[in-house]
Amino acid sequence: EPEVTQTPSHQVTQMGQEVILRCVPISNHLYFYWYRQILGQKVEFLVSFYNNEISEKSEIFDDQFSVERPDGSNFTLKIRSTKLEDSAMYFCASRRGTGGGNEQYFGPGTRLTVT
Amino acid sequence: KQEVTQIPAALSVPEGENLVLNCSFTDSAIYNLQWFRQDPGKGLTSLLLIQSSQREQTSGRLNASLDKSSGRSTLYIAASQPGDSATYLCAVRLGLRDAGGTSYGKLTFGQGTILTVHP
Repeated sequence: EPEVTQTPSHQVTQMGQEVILRCVPISNHLYFYWYRQILGQKVEFLVSFYNNEISEKSEIFDDQFSVERPDGSNFTLKIRSTKLEDSAMYFCASRRGTGGGNEQYFGPGTRLTVT
Repeated sequence: KQEVTQIPAALSVPEGENLVLNCSFTDSAIYNLQWFRQDPGKGLTSLLLIQSSQREQTSGRLNASLDKSSGRSTLYIAASQPGDSATYLCAVRLGLRDAGGTSYGKLTFGQGTILTVHP
């Protein structure tokens, strides 16, 4: 069964460093998302991406964040200058859309630890 | 702004019991609602999706109902097993056009119910 994959599973970085989190969505899906979950808190929406552009973003998704679909399979989240409060589990999700289903499928997550 | 609340925050039951998890949301103009399971330190596994036009969905021992007008959903788990122990999350997607414009499918999550089923 197709699934969303994410790498790395765990990333440790120092404050101020840039990180890139990688995701491979399900191959025939058209809508892509990033969410995050700070330990003990709710899962929060960050950004949605469709037709090679950002379609919606939350207040969390400021200028330090960017997303890219560099080729036909990968979807990345970049944090330019990490802060301690960026420590969280980051989840990528994808959805087929356009008559193919509304269910969002989530990856296993990347645990980001900023020290 | 959509707010999603889940009750109870935690539930501990003996194996074999039937149980109900509750989810409420403040904006009834939803497009669909999804229930997820999350194991400790892991990703989210989709359990059931209910479209706004539906009243319920079933998958095996799971049954989810939706009352859109009252802003509520319940997840019913029959004959619980220790392997059902996990956090259960409910998430709503607003309608295609909300007050701020078109929604491209972002989900708003509740805080989850931590379920423990003991043998």
